[in-house]
Formats: sequence, structure tokens, C-alpha cells
Amino acid sequence: GENVEQHPSTLSVQEGDSAVIKCTYSDSASNYFPWYKQELGKRPQLIIDIRSNVGEKKDQRIAVTLNKTAKHFSLHITETQPEDSAVYFCAPTRETSGSRLTFGEGTQLTVNP
Amino acid sequence: DAGITQSPRHKVTETGTPVTLRCHQTENHRYMYWYRQDPGHGLRLIHYSYGVKDTDKGEVSDGYSVSRSKTEDFLLTLESATSSQTSVYFCATEREGYTQYFGPGTRLTVL
Repeated sequence: GENVEQHPSTLSVQEGDSAVIKCTYSDSASNYFPWYKQELGKRPQLIIDIRSNVGEKKDQRIAVTLNKTAKHFSLHITETQPEDSAVYFCAPTRETSGSRLTFGEGTQLTVNP
Repeated sequence: DAGITQSPRHKVTETGTPVTLRCHQTENHRYMYWYRQDPGHGLRLIHYSYGVKDTDKGEVSDGYSVSRSKTEDFLLTLESATSSQTSVYFCATEREGYTQYFGPGTRLTVL
């Protein structure tokens, strides 16, 4: 099965700074790389994803970069805001119906005003 | 996300009692999943379903069973609840692009 590691486990930044969370995986056949955001007491929600034929994807203040050779991908958040405070999970997988996601243990991001 | 609901949202029960959690979707998605979430463990897959009456085990399936008699409903049953099953349970469906979308969760406490 897939082994997934996220780093760091906690991250505290000042409002306006950038934040980067890294996800390392073991299955070289993984080709779909989503990031989920979970606010306190809420459900996980997909915020951005990337497929292996693309090296980088941006959506306003968030971006994901992929290094398939090294088997890691990263979430980048620029100009952080207090509402970005949440737990972020990566879940690399093979892009197929019935994908059994293996989630990282999560990164608690705190954005201090 | 109004397309997927879970019931109950909160439940407190005693060790040894049976418990059934319900996941209901309105969008006719084929694949459905049950996860549990515990501090320090992220989300772990319990069981999943790839169609009516078609289910399979995930990584933490011991002590759980599931059933899917209709496309819209996926039930998770704890035959005899234990304190180690105290957790938050999330249901998810698979949608376009192979992405998974989660229900609001059920917080279960086993005393």
C-alpha cells in the first residue's frame, strides 16, 4: 500500500506570509495528487489537485507543485489569511474509479493576525 | 455540500451495543466510502462500496460491517461497540475526476 508522510505536522505563520506543506509518497504508480482542507469541526474539502502530466497548478493564492521523480508534492499558500487556519491533508493515489485514498496525518496551519 | 448527508450527527452509546450509521447521497454516485478520523491518524478507510451489494474492506475494517442495498444509502454497523471505536466517522462519494467529497461526519462516543 501507499505510505504517505506530511511535513511539517504543525506550522505557524504570520498573516501575509507564505506557507508550504510537503507530502512524500511511496507508490510510483500514483498519478493523482489532491490536497484537502479541514476546518475545526467541519468535513474535509478538496481545495486543489494535480495530475502527473502537470508539474504545477495554481488557483488564486494556492498552488501545488509535483516532483514525480522524487515522489513528493507540495501545497503552497501565499499571502496567508486567518481563514487559512485549518488542517491540511494530502492523499496521493492512482487515478481510477474506486480509488482507495491513503491520507497523510495532516498539517495544522495556524495563521496569526 | 447538500448532496451527501449522514445520520445521526452525534451519538453516545455504551460498550457492547450495536450501532448503525447512515450515509445518504442524492446524486447517484457509484462509489461510496466510510472513513474514521482520530487525532494523529488522519483519515483511515474502513470499508468502501463500488455498487449495490458490492463492498470491500479498507485498512481498519475489524469490528465493522457495511451494507448497500440501494445506490443512495451506505450503512456502517458496529456489531458490538467498543471504546476504541470512539471516533468521528466520515462518509464520502466519488465524483467526476475521481475526486472524493465528504459528508458532514458523525461523532460517535462509546462509553
